[in-house]
Amino acid sequence: GAVVSQHPSWVICKSGTSVKIECRSLDFQATTMFWYRQFPKQSLMLMATSNEGSKATYEQGVEKDKFLINHASLTLSTLTVTSAHPEDSSFYICSAEGQGHQPQHFGDGTRLSIL
Amino acid sequence: KQEVTQIPAALSVPEGENLVLNCSFTDSAIYNLQWFRQDPGKGLTSLLLIQSSQREQTSGRLNASLDKSSGRSTLYIAASQPGDSATYLCAVNGDAGNMLTFGGGTRLMVKP
Repeated sequence: GAVVSQHPSWVICKSGTSVKIECRSLDFQATTMFWYRQFPKQSLMLMATSNEGSKATYEQGVEKDKFLINHASLTLSTLTVTSAHPEDSSFYICSAEGQGHQPQHFGDGTRLSIL
Repeated sequence: KQEVTQIPAALSVPEGENLVLNCSFTDSAIYNLQWFRQDPGKGLTSLLLIQSSQREQTSGRLNASLDKSSGRSTLYIAASQPGDSATYLCAVNGDAGNMLTFGGGTRLMVKP
């Protein structure tokens, strides 16, 4: 079945550091990738949608200069949290969909802890 | 704007009980609806996907129903087991594109 790999699974770093999270579709080509954020005991909130080779579309209230998304190939999208601060600590989950309105397949998430 | 609500927010039951989780959505123009399971600190596992033209889907002890006109879906879990303990998320896929709107989830605890 379709597999989405997300890396790293957990990162702890100091305030001010920029952190890059990778999302890869391992056995299919992902025309669209989605990035979600989840706070403890809350549901997933869509941050942005990215299509290969074009700029990401950000949801209202999400700072595009803070959360840089790159979708350079059909199998890889990256989310970079720039100059991360403690309030950016959260669980970030990516998903990927193939062509033709296929269901999204989710990565295992990345737990980001900013000290 | 689509809004998805799940009731109850948390549920604790003894092992063996049959249970129902509820999901409601405000905009009935949907493409499909999915139920996911999420274990603590983990990603999402898709359980069932119901297309807008379908009324229900079954997988093992799980049965999901969809009443699109009333904006409701239920997830029925038969003979619950401690291993079923997790958070269950309902997500609606809008008609205009492949964007999922998630409910707040139901945290289920099945006690041995």
